[in-house]
Amino acid sequence: SQQGEEDPQALSIQEGENATMNCSYKTSINNLQWYRQNSGRGLVHLILIRSNEREKHSGRLRVTLDTSKKSSSLLITASRAADTASYFCATDNAAGAQKLVFGQGTRLTINP
Amino acid sequence: NAGVTQTPKFQVLKTGQSMTLQCAQDMNHNSMYWYRQDPGMGLRLIYYSASEGTTDKGEVPNGYNVSRLNKREFSLRLESAAPSQTSVYFCASSIRSSYNEQFFGPGTRLTVL
Repeated sequence: SQQGEEDPQALSIQEGENATMNCSYKTSINNLQWYRQNSGRGLVHLILIRSNEREKHSGRLRVTLDTSKKSSSLLITASRAADTASYFCATDNAAGAQKLVFGQGTRLTINP
Repeated sequence: NAGVTQTPKFQVLKTGQSMTLQCAQDMNHNSMYWYRQDPGMGLRLIYYSASEGTTDKGEVPNGYNVSRLNKREFSLRLESAAPSQTSVYFCASSIRSSYNEQFFGPGTRLTVL
């Protein structure tokens, strides 16, 4: 079963706008990660946020984590056509499982 | 560095045939993983190897076997392929289990007729 669930499943915006994707999970975690997948390619790691962190930035990416609500959000600012991709959150399990569980992803389309 | 490499890129099998998907990483990572991705879905973990010499089942292990040949290589075997195993298979590696980011290979697109 999926640990993380992304919302929305699909998002279409105009170039230059900001895109926000959300992820909810069920169990306590050590960290939460976001990945991007371009069509037909493997996943690429974007950012990792640990359970004791609330916010993290990387370039145009901003990730927040609310462990009390078991949720995270990924914000992409000033979107570009090249940001068109699927975005996945992945969580580990604080109980000690040595693996990540991925959500079903948000398909983001940036319209020129 | 090549990162994570997978062979083959594409494969078509008939029901009942067997094959091995190969994966290798040159980043000296301890942990390696095999996932499958079905259309419109996220990744589901088949098997993983937290360190050389160990393997464990993931979410969907039935119909698959794995071998951690050495620190670099982690293979996935389908003994008797079924149409339900039609999918895209990704191999990934990380420095240490789930505490670090995972690096993914380009994938193997498998069709079972």
